[in-house]
Amino acid sequence: GQQVMQIPQYQHVQEGEDFTTYCNSSTTLSNIQWYKQRPGGHPVFLIQLVKSGEVKKQKRLTFQFGEAKKNSSLHITATQTTDVGTYFCAAAGGTSYGKLTFGQGTILTVHP
Amino acid sequence: DGGITQSPKYLFRKEGQNVTLSCEQNLNHDAMYWYRQDPGQGLRLIYYSQIVNDFQKGDIAEGYSVSREKKESFPLTVTSAQKNPTAFYLCASSPQAGGPDTQYFGPGTRLTVL
Repeated sequence: GQQVMQIPQYQHVQEGEDFTTYCNSSTTLSNIQWYKQRPGGHPVFLIQLVKSGEVKKQKRLTFQFGEAKKNSSLHITATQTTDVGTYFCAAAGGTSYGKLTFGQGTILTVHP
Repeated sequence: DGGITQSPKYLFRKEGQNVTLSCEQNLNHDAMYWYRQDPGQGLRLIYYSQIVNDFQKGDIAEGYSVSREKKESFPLTVTSAQKNPTAFYLCASSPQAGGPDTQYFGPGTRLTVL
């Protein structure tokens, strides 16, 4: 089945530093979605990218979809303690008709 | 108030017992999903359903069973055949069957098998 690799698994930053998580697939994706899960909570949808080379911004968060539609990244500028949690990418496409394949997630810790 | 509900939030069972986790949605979504999450790990798909009375196995279906008799309900049974059932179980739904839609998650059920 389709696999999506997400790195790094863990990231510790000082408040104010930037953070980036990367997602890679061996197959071309129809779209990629990003979710955030706060500690003890459930995943919440952040954004969906569909077009090759697409870049979307949400305040301090910047999402990119690669030109070949095989990779994506989430970048947070000047992290805050409210950014803590696990960030997941989720891919649709290839053989995964009707379902999403989630990356392993990146656990972000922000030290004040 | 629309959304996805899962009950109970915490569940304890003895080894060898079957247990059924509830998932209900009033979003009128066609598709529903069950995931398992282990500490520090991602979401692994157990079963999914794109329409009433139909469902497909996900990546880790062994030891689990589901039913989809109503559009709004997708209960998951963890059977005694599941070797490591202790985990966080998440139910999700999405608007359209077959589409790469946003998934909306319930609050989850933490199952502990003693």
